[in-house]
Amino acid sequence: KAGVTQTPRYLIKTRGQQVTLSCSPISGHRSVSWYQQTPGQGLQFLFEYFSETQRNKGNFPGRFSGRQFSNSRSEMNVSTLELGDSALYLCASSLAQVAGSPLHFGNGTRLTVT
Amino acid sequence: QQQVKQSPQSLIVQKGGISIINCAYENTAFDYFPWYQQFPGKGPALLIAIRPDVSEKKEGRFTISFNKSAKQFSLHIMDSQPGDSATYFCAASNQAGTALIFGKGTTLSVSS
Repeated sequence: KAGVTQTPRYLIKTRGQQVTLSCSPISGHRSVSWYQQTPGQGLQFLFEYFSETQRNKGNFPGRFSGRQFSNSRSEMNVSTLELGDSALYLCASSLAQVAGSPLHFGNGTRLTVT
Repeated sequence: QQQVKQSPQSLIVQKGGISIINCAYENTAFDYFPWYQQFPGKGPALLIAIRPDVSEKKEGRFTISFNKSAKQFSLHIMDSQPGDSATYFCAASNQAGTALIFGKGTTLSVSS
């Protein structure tokens, strides 16, 4: 099976712009989660989608949003970018139908805000 | 209460030695404790996971020890190899493992 695919791998944006990141989960996985990874804060949970519905949300401002499509693919949007949004954004998919189903991470999108 | 505290921040171990990484949590509602391994330029990959109803789980050279009363769990890497050099994250969750709270990570370097 192909793994979790995230596009693009790298992005450079200017403060104030918006950005959309894309994630294709492993085939058959209906849950997609997003995490932000920075050197200072580590890995932080953004949100999780299951069957096109946001099922769980972390403690991030409303500038961070996401959605999931009927084929389980997911997008994450960050509006009004700030310098502090520079990070590695990781997408993870799981079956999420059995408790403790492991998360399978993609290799991330590296976002740099200048 | 949502934090997972991980130590040490970095670790240097000789080839063949034992690497030990520790984590502590406060939220007693957590019921799933995975460890992830991350290499540079890659996403984290699940190594091994444990639930609170067992005190130890072993998979190959990797062992999780879990102490429910102390709210602590640790990863032991036996016979550490240079290929184990990576960043290790402990995590915890109480929602089927999809909303993970991660520790800050431990950078392991195994010298040959």
